[in-house]
Amino acid sequence: DTAVSQTPKYLVTQMGNDKSIKCEQNLGHDTMYWYKQDSKKFLKIMFSYNNKELIINETVPNRFSPKSPDKAHLNLHINSLELGDSAVYFCASSQDRFEQYFGPGTRLTVT
Amino acid sequence: QKEVEQNSGPLSVPEGAIASLNCTYSDRGSQSFFWYRQYSGKSPELIMFIYSNGDKEDGRFTAQLNKASQYVSLLIRDSQPSDSATYLCAEGGSYIPTFGRGTSLIVHP
Repeated sequence: DTAVSQTPKYLVTQMGNDKSIKCEQNLGHDTMYWYKQDSKKFLKIMFSYNNKELIINETVPNRFSPKSPDKAHLNLHINSLELGDSAVYFCASSQDRFEQYFGPGTRLTVT
Repeated sequence: QKEVEQNSGPLSVPEGAIASLNCTYSDRGSQSFFWYRQYSGKSPELIMFIYSNGDKEDGRFTAQLNKASQYVSLLIRDSQPSDSATYLCAEGGSYIPTFGRGTSLIVHP
């Protein structure tokens, strides 16, 4: 029974397109996150979402937007994709600000 | 902006040895720290968390926190080839956690 799941696992798309990645957690956690891991393996927080409060890392371009239909889901929408958006995107969840559980990742390739 | 620093390695140790992974952090007010292990092509998985000064042991793993020196470490005793992975140190306690760049550990038979 998967705790944090993401779809799709792989996403290949062209520059300028808009795409979404979905994330679901069944742990009953109240906080969810999106991370970007670049080719150098640096894991960087993009957003956290807690009880309907969105906290944004100020370095994230506004082409990226999280959307949470309910506490168990946090989807990531990306508009006007650029080559530099190619990376692995991880969703994670936690109870409050404690230890996080990560999804399997979505490898995004922009051509 | 908060920073978490780790030596990227690779740290190479023989099987059965103790692997020592270190991390320093910039925010003196940070309260909680986490160690994650990430195998190549996989997602990070939590190994240990520590909130108080001192040592915390869990099986072959010991996390150490020294708030005065702003230093966190992870010791892996009796290292196994299956421990070969990248180890990420993270500072928590806020909704924008900060990760280090990770240390690559190689355990050779």
